[in-house]
Amino acid sequence: QMQLVQSGAEVKKPGASVKVSCKASEYTFTSYYMHWVRQAPGQGLEWMGVINPSGGSTSYAQKFQGRVTMTRDTSSSTVYMELSSLRSDDTAVYYCARDLGGSGSRLYWGQGTLVTVSS
Amino acid sequence: DIQMTQSPSSLSASVGDRVTITCRASQGISNSLTWYQQKPGKAPKLLLYAASRLESGVPSRFSGSGSGTDYTLTISSLQPEDLATYYCQQYYSTPPTFGQGTKLEIK
Repeated sequence: QMQLVQSGAEVKKPGASVKVSCKASEYTFTSYYMHWVRQAPGQGLEWMGVINPSGGSTSYAQKFQGRVTMTRDTSSSTVYMELSSLRSDDTAVYYCARDLGGSGSRLYWGQGTLVTVSS
Repeated sequence: DIQMTQSPSSLSASVGDRVTITCRASQGISNSLTWYQQKPGKAPKLLLYAASRLESGVPSRFSGSGSGTDYTLTISSLQPEDLATYYCQQYYSTPPTFGQGTKLEIK
């Protein structure tokens, strides 16, 4: 059974950075793109970007350009999402999601990581 | 970016009812549409993709249809476990964008 296990909840101060991990198992890590999507409390889903675990290439939503960095470690089948210059409105659950169908057509999601930004 | 608009934002229905949720794109998306179900406190779960293709393991009471800019998700006979928020998502162009969600409550 394909699994995506994300790192635990984080509490950060405004201006800090956070790095969330997503460890994949039970499938060939480099064969499927990985997306990151966030969900603010009580709100909808917002796409942040995608990484190709094979070559490491990335594509980010314009809103997050310059603040987000997605990387991967093929030796541990883990992808990372780092968000810098955190603000209170970055408080959200951050999800990684494996792209089974390509082009974001069939996403299978991790359990989510709550990031709270508060002074 | 393509804007996705769902209606209604919320609805309440009884067990056994037929339920329909609509998703409208700001431009044609050529059936490049996915539906997700999100239960409270859980991650979204894939229901249908390519507008009408049922994901493996999803009950057959869920179906999708549509074309161009207008798409629908139908639950043929509502079950108590269908309590959730439903999201549409287009993948016709980058960035993928989601509807605002439809919260389904059971009467």
